[in-house]
Amino acid sequence: DSGVTQTPKHLITATGQRVTLRCSPRSGDLSVYWYQQSLDQGLQFLIQYYNGEERAKGNILERFSAQQFPDLHSELNLSSLELGDSALYFCASSVGWTVEGEQFFGPGTRLTVL
Amino acid sequence: DAKTTQPNSMESNEEEPVHLPCNHSTISGTDYIHWYRQLPSQGPEYVIHGLTSNVNNRMASLAIAEDRKSSTLILHRATLRDAAVYYCKSSSSARQLTFGSGTQLTVLP
Repeated sequence: DSGVTQTPKHLITATGQRVTLRCSPRSGDLSVYWYQQSLDQGLQFLIQYYNGEERAKGNILERFSAQQFPDLHSELNLSSLELGDSALYFCASSVGWTVEGEQFFGPGTRLTVL
Repeated sequence: DAKTTQPNSMESNEEEPVHLPCNHSTISGTDYIHWYRQLPSQGPEYVIHGLTSNVNNRMASLAIAEDRKSSTLILHRATLRDAAVYYCKSSSSARQLTFGSGTQLTVLP
């Protein structure tokens, strides 16, 4: 158990809909990262927040957005969903904002878009 | 973004050492080398990272070539629980932390 929690575990929805994925980092970690893992794309970095502020942006679509709240939990919002958005979404956390240290990954949310 | 290449799959016998190679020929001077692994149906798990010198921790050792264009993850005694996909990545910023397809390690009893 990494100490990072993600909800829900599974999500099934239809094209065009909007969903929110939630992540609680390990106690004491200030950084939260979001990743997308699909069969054909591997593990893709989406976005990083550090202590409430956006720190780094990767291959995140404009239809996707995220935020980190004062209690440090984070939400990833996916809108106008398409079939290709079906994937595993992982959240990770770390103490600092640099990539030097260890990232702790949650168990993931499996999103299925029908 | 530095590119890494790894073999698609490797096999090892239980309780024998495993050497997992990674090429990162476009690595820059400030890029760290990270290794993560992903067990079936789980999120990725940190294994080890380094910059220039070889590194050891309780899980594994990381041997970094002198020119830093390649590295080797060493599992000293493979167990069945080490069967996973092993990802290598070199990066100097979070936005570069996108992993390739990794190496599927199979451990034979």
